[in-house]
Amino acid sequence: GAVVSQHPSRVICKSGTSVKIECRSLDFQATTMFWYRQFPKQSLMLMATSNEGSKATYEQGVEKDKFLINHASLTLSTLTVTSAHPEDSSFYICSARDAQIGVYTDTQYFGPGTRLTVL
Amino acid sequence: GIQVEQSPPDLILQEGANSTLRCNFSDSVNNLQWFHQNPWGQLINLFYIPSGTKQNGRLSATTVATERYSLLYISSSQTTDSGVYFCAATVAGTASKLTFGTGTRLQVTL
Repeated sequence: GAVVSQHPSRVICKSGTSVKIECRSLDFQATTMFWYRQFPKQSLMLMATSNEGSKATYEQGVEKDKFLINHASLTLSTLTVTSAHPEDSSFYICSARDAQIGVYTDTQYFGPGTRLTVL
Repeated sequence: GIQVEQSPPDLILQEGANSTLRCNFSDSVNNLQWFHQNPWGQLINLFYIPSGTKQNGRLSATTVATERYSLLYISSSQTTDSGVYFCAATVAGTASKLTFGTGTRLQVTL
């Protein structure tokens, strides 16, 4: 149980284009999902918190107009990197908090990540 | 915000050896998780352990919340244990936001 998927797993795009990454909780409902970014040999940095049916909450320093987040259902959140530039190249990881057990354990389950390369 | 530091940053072990990884955090936490990130980037949940001790096979973890640290023990290490180990913590009142530690990169050799 508690499986989170991401699509695509890897994407290469040209500078100036937009890229959408999907995060799905496959066997549980997630009222809250989180988006992280990880540069090579570094730790994960939280970018934003995505709440179903409401606007995302962005961490300080993260451009909300550049990283658009939509959480339209209890099992799907999307991150769109708009007008991507080479410095946006990174490993993007989502996580989901189980709406049922979260009250008791607050455990987050992580997707496999999406490696974005902007040329 | 909370600071989460891990030690050692790098560790090389021979297969069969035991190791202890440490996670120090600067504030009281209501959630502490340990993860293993495999070479493909997937984060695997190891323990949810805001306090106390848990064991799962060759792995065990202890969190002493009052002293603000957690330990991950790996016994009889195997090459498949290689990767990066992260601890991550949540402070009460921060809407479940996890702050990740600096990580310990483990390499297990034959």
